[in-house]
Amino acid sequence: DSGVTQTPKHLITATGQRVTLRCSPRSGDLSVYWYQQSLDQGLQFLIQYYNGEERAKGNILERFSAQQFPDLHSELNLSSLELGDSALYFCASSPRDRADSGNTIYFGEGSWLTVV
Amino acid sequence: GQQVMQIPQYQHVQEGEDFTTYCNSSTTLSNIQWYKQRPGGHPVFLIQLVKSGEVKKQKRLTFQFGEAKKNSSLHITATQTTDVGTYFCAGPGGYNKLIFGAGTRLAVHP
Repeated sequence: DSGVTQTPKHLITATGQRVTLRCSPRSGDLSVYWYQQSLDQGLQFLIQYYNGEERAKGNILERFSAQQFPDLHSELNLSSLELGDSALYFCASSPRDRADSGNTIYFGEGSWLTVV
Repeated sequence: GQQVMQIPQYQHVQEGEDFTTYCNSSTTLSNIQWYKQRPGGHPVFLIQLVKSGEVKKQKRLTFQFGEAKKNSSLHITATQTTDVGTYFCAGPGGYNKLIFGAGTRLAVHP
């Protein structure tokens, strides 16, 4: 158990719909990261927040947005869903801001999104 | 942008054989991390290497960071079925991003 909690674990929704994925980081961690993993694909970095502020952006679509709340939990909002958005979405957390030495990130178990 | 290349993409071995995956970066890395993802699971942190030429061992796993800090390898001696999974390397891709390689999927045949 990494200490990172993600909900829901599984989600099936129709194209065009909007969903929200939720993440609670490990106790004490201020950084939250979102990654997308499609079938047989690697981990694609989407976005990172540190203590409520957006810090880094990856290949995140305009239809997707995220935020980190004062209690440090984060939500990833996916809208106008397409079939190709079906993937495993991981949240991860780390104590610090920078991706530097000692700042290991810990992954949650992921949220499986299936768009039909 | 920063890229972390990992090879091979797939590796099938017989139980007891050795396995190695390689990671290369286009730029010098301040550190490199290795993760393992079991089938159906989530990436789990294995180790971090920081120093040039650093070698670390975890039981049958040996991790190495190149002298130029641009490449790294993970070697598993005498694979077991419990080693099955995808092994990812990851390095800093800018101030805040941790960029993952594409991963090497290891299959171990008993």
